[in-house]
Amino acid sequence: QVQLVQSGAEVKKPGASVKVSCKTSGYTFTDYYIHWVRQAPGQGLEWMGWINPNSGGPNYAQKFQGRVTMTRDTSISTAYMEVSRLTSDDTAVYYCAKNKENGVHDYWGQGTLVTVSS
Amino acid sequence: QAVLTQPSSLSASPGTSASLTCTLRSGINVGTYRIYWYQQKPGSPPQYLLWYKSDSDNQRGSGVPSRFSGSKDASANAGILLISGLQSEDEADYYCMIWHSNAWVFGGGTKLTVL
Repeated sequence: QVQLVQSGAEVKKPGASVKVSCKTSGYTFTDYYIHWVRQAPGQGLEWMGWINPNSGGPNYAQKFQGRVTMTRDTSISTAYMEVSRLTSDDTAVYYCAKNKENGVHDYWGQGTLVTVSS
Repeated sequence: QAVLTQPSSLSASPGTSASLTCTLRSGINVGTYRIYWYQQKPGSPPQYLLWYKSDSDNQRGSGVPSRFSGSKDASANAGILLISGLQSEDEADYYCMIWHSNAWVFGGGTKLTVL
């Protein structure tokens, strides 16, 4: 069965970086894009971007360009999302999601809570 | 003004129907967009429900009950998620989403209470 398993919760200081992993299984990793979506506490969903696991090419939401890097390691079917220059506004649960087609994100990771606090 | 606007909350009784709206900002024509809908329960990631563009162009997710359907109100420039035969398990947050200006944009979400 398809699974996306994310890395554990992180606590970071302002100005630091965080890298979240998303290990996939149960399907061919390079066949489907991985999207990243975040959700601040008590707030709505915010799309951050995607990575094409086949080519490695990313597409970032304008808001995150220059501060977010999405990569992948096809040998272990894992996608990564790194956010730099963290502020308290980056405190959120970060989700990875397998994109079946266009806007259909059919499988999601369990989420990774990133807390930014001094 | 936000691209997508959803009412923050909605209450409905079990067995009745709930109509959740997703209003597109003025100047963005609902007729040209697929409107995607996701359900999120507390402590869980979102789950894909369906997308709707027209009566002849729409898709429900695998395993999603037929009680969930989409439509549009062109006069209100809004997408609609209709949930019929409400059940207690339908209590959740619901988000609409569109592809706009080279980005996936979510609405702010509607908290549906079934009581």
